Amino acid sequence: QQQVKQSPQSLIVQKGGISIINCAYENTAFDYFPWYQQFPGKGPALLIAIRPDVSEKKEGRFTISFNKSAKQFSLHIMDSQPGDSATYFCAALTRSSGNTGKLIFGQGTTLQVKP
Amino acid sequence: EPEVTQTPSHQVTQMGQEVILRCVPISNHLYFYWYRQILGQKVEFLVSFYNNEISEKSEIFDDQFSVERPDGSNFTLKIRSTKLEDSAMYFCASSEPPPSRYDGYTFGSGTRLTVV
Repeated sequence: QQQVKQSPQSLIVQKGGISIINCAYENTAFDYFPWYQQFPGKGPALLIAIRPDVSEKKEGRFTISFNKSAKQFSLHIMDSQPGDSATYFCAALTRSSGNTGKLIFGQGTTLQVKP
Repeated sequence: EPEVTQTPSHQVTQMGQEVILRCVPISNHLYFYWYRQILGQKVEFLVSFYNNEISEKSEIFDDQFSVERPDGSNFTLKIRSTKLEDSAMYFCASSEPPPSRYDGYTFGSGTRLTVV
């Protein structure tokens, strides 16, 4: 199953709060799990990524938690700021022939951080 | 910071017309991709390209679509006879060779294709 399921669809958080977005997958062949941030009219920009042999990765205010047995991973944004207001996509990568990598995206979460 | 460049940023075309979307990937990347995003929906994989041939294509990428790397720098997506449902943002991406460098998977800013 090549789907990645993402929730919630939208999220409103007060400035300084924690934003949490969750994703789940079925395909155990996925071997790389990035999160992308997208602003209106722009392409997805890599925010942070994790490999399945690691349970947590932190970069600044952004943390990915990864549960391999449950096939779930989540993004935590600490001390959320109005500038974090954007659409967030989780994704999972699977290898294709020639070792190219195909990204399967979740449905996206629109985050609004209120001042 | 190196970036993937896409032109045009917005293309309006009549149904049935051919369109070519252009991309300049990051210079040392060897893997090239096209994705699309229908307004308000998720980003969907169309095709991957390596060593001058298609590596994988999705069910969306039918006979109306083709890709080409006509020279050492450009990577194009052609839609032969556009349909209304082809209206979407089309993103080009490029990446470094795997397995250790998928963090270098970079997207362009996209071309908004509107079919009327």
